[in-house]
Amino acid sequence: KNEVEQSPQNLTAQEGEFITINCSYSVGISALHWLQQHPGGGIVSLFMLSSGKKKHGRLIATINIQEKHSSLHITASHPRDSAVYICAVGNAGGTSYGKLTFGQGTILTVHP
Amino acid sequence: NAGVMQNPRHLVRRRGQEARLRCSPMKGHSHVYWYRQLPEEGLKFMVYLQKENIIDESGMPKERFSAEFPKEGPSILRIQQVVRGDSAAYFCASSRSLNSPLHFGNGTRLTVT
Repeated sequence: KNEVEQSPQNLTAQEGEFITINCSYSVGISALHWLQQHPGGGIVSLFMLSSGKKKHGRLIATINIQEKHSSLHITASHPRDSAVYICAVGNAGGTSYGKLTFGQGTILTVHP
Repeated sequence: NAGVMQNPRHLVRRRGQEARLRCSPMKGHSHVYWYRQLPEEGLKFMVYLQKENIIDESGMPKERFSAEFPKEGPSILRIQQVVRGDSAAYFCASSRSLNSPLHFGNGTRLTVT
């Protein structure tokens, strides 16, 4: 079993739909990251969180430490949101927040 | 304030050659991380460096791979005697301090022919 599991692996939506991507992890963490990667492109850090909820524009990330679970929500989805979304965790007790264990990614396609 | 700069964006090497990948962190960032993304696989941590020091290289292959972050200049990931299995995207990220947000570069796509 992977330390970080994402679901779904693939997600197709129509423009305007509300989208949820889930991430479960099995280890104690220092922080959880949500990343976005466009095909052939670089990686953009969307959120880093260790508790509660964060919002940036149409994106919302939540984390439940007790349940070892995080969700990334996209409201009013748009075709430009099409990308791979990656959950990553930094292990608790580590020397660095940047030593991350990554999920396998969720491929999101939003159709106009 | 420029972001994390990686170059080259694409690098083609023949088997047995050396590959040098460069990463210039954001201004004021002294923590650098390298990650590798093999084809059809997820990202994996390779190494964590601070200026002139390797802090954690637990994700680095034992042979042929090395990394440095000198006092002046970019961080370098060096792969000696490349093999086809080294073909991957290599990303670096930087942060200002130990627990501050990470900023990623656009990656270097290495192809070994």
